[in-house]
Amino acid sequence: GQNIDQPTEMTATEGAIVQINCTYQTSGFNGLFWYQQHAGEAPTFLSYNVLDGLEEKGRFSSFLSRSKGYSYLLLKELQMKDSASYLCAAMDSNYQLIWGAGTKLIIKP
Amino acid sequence: NAGVTQTPKFRILKIGQSMTLQCAQDMNHNYMYWYRQDPGMGLKLIYYSVGAGITDKGEVPNGYNVSRSTTEDFPLRLELAAPSQTSVYFCASDSGEGGNEQFFGPGTRLTVL
Repeated sequence: GQNIDQPTEMTATEGAIVQINCTYQTSGFNGLFWYQQHAGEAPTFLSYNVLDGLEEKGRFSSFLSRSKGYSYLLLKELQMKDSASYLCAAMDSNYQLIWGAGTKLIIKP
Repeated sequence: NAGVTQTPKFRILKIGQSMTLQCAQDMNHNYMYWYRQDPGMGLKLIYYSVGAGITDKGEVPNGYNVSRSTTEDFPLRLELAAPSQTSVYFCASDSGEGGNEQFFGPGTRLTVL
């Protein structure tokens, strides 16, 4: 079957760095997405990886290892506004997204 | 551009009632999607469309119907509402080119009592 695993909740301190891991099993693979979702709002796109390696975009970076079925989202210089859920989603062979349940990130001052 | 719009924002239905959730996008996207999101769960795909006149079932289509008569609009119909359909419903769209991001509407919070 198809499955996405990510931690349910993480806590970090303002100004610190946090890494949110995601493992996936899909029928075929056409890339890995990360979305941010603030409470009561819609998901918004953060990053897309289809090749192995690290993609950096400002304070956010995303890493992919296709051979290990593994990705992580790295958030640097954490700000209070980064408190949100982070959704990992893998695109399968039919170009449909399989979504994880999300990791709720709590930032403490 | 308004992006993806959804109406209504909130709705309470009684068991057995029917309703239509509206979704529209002004980005000329071919691909449109309906998801539901239950607390603590990932987004589940209900139906999707790759263009006007073409729709297909997703992972959880039972109890729902869709139509796509224009590129812009993709309404979701609930027939005979059940408490299990209490959820937040998101409509999304993208250009259909593989790795492009999906753009989401603000969501409809539906409660069935």
